[in-house]
Amino acid sequence: NAGVTQTPKFRVLKTGQSMTLLCAQDMNHEYMYWYRQDPGMGLRLIHYSVGEGTTAKGEVPDGYNVSRLKKQNFLLGLESAAPSQTSVYFCASSPTRDTQYFGPGTRLTVL
Amino acid sequence: KNEVEQSPQNLTAQEGEFITINCSYSVGISALHWLQQHPGGGIVSLFMLSSGKKKHGRLIATINIQEKHSSLHITASHPRDSAVYICAPKGGAQKLVFGQGTRLTINP
Repeated sequence: NAGVTQTPKFRVLKTGQSMTLLCAQDMNHEYMYWYRQDPGMGLRLIHYSVGEGTTAKGEVPDGYNVSRLKKQNFLLGLESAAPSQTSVYFCASSPTRDTQYFGPGTRLTVL
Repeated sequence: KNEVEQSPQNLTAQEGEFITINCSYSVGISALHWLQQHPGGGIVSLFMLSSGKKKHGRLIATINIQEKHSSLHITASHPRDSAVYICAPKGGAQKLVFGQGTRLTINP
């Protein structure tokens, strides 16, 4: 099993550009999450999903959209990137409401 | 005031020392996670506990729900234990609230 993978690992965008981050898990987990991690701050939940076709807002959802069309994939979209979205993005999945398995992270820089 | 406070923020110790990292939280929780973030950035879940104590190898985690406090202990610390340790209480709606982390450095 590959576990949780994230694509891409690094990306540099210009302000106003759009992009999609892909999170994939091969563990048949129901729950999936997108977090961002900024220096001096803890991980913050952006959006999450409790199953295929469902999504919900987390703590910092503004400027992001998500989709979970397939159980194994959770996509995070930035429609118009801003410098404030420069961060490291982590995806996680969970079989139940318990242990979360994290992806390796995506480092995004918005110029 | 942050919902989750970890102490210390940074900790440097010598190999072999007994390490304690503390976590206090203000939210009502059903469980609490301890995570380890490696220097390369990867995050691994160490424990999830809702009461009492759990032990895994040289790592021990305790929680006191009434006092809203948890501790992570490392016995016989080793340089490979150097990482950021993150406390994450679980509140409602499957949401974790993350502490800022404790950066641990173990010198040989």
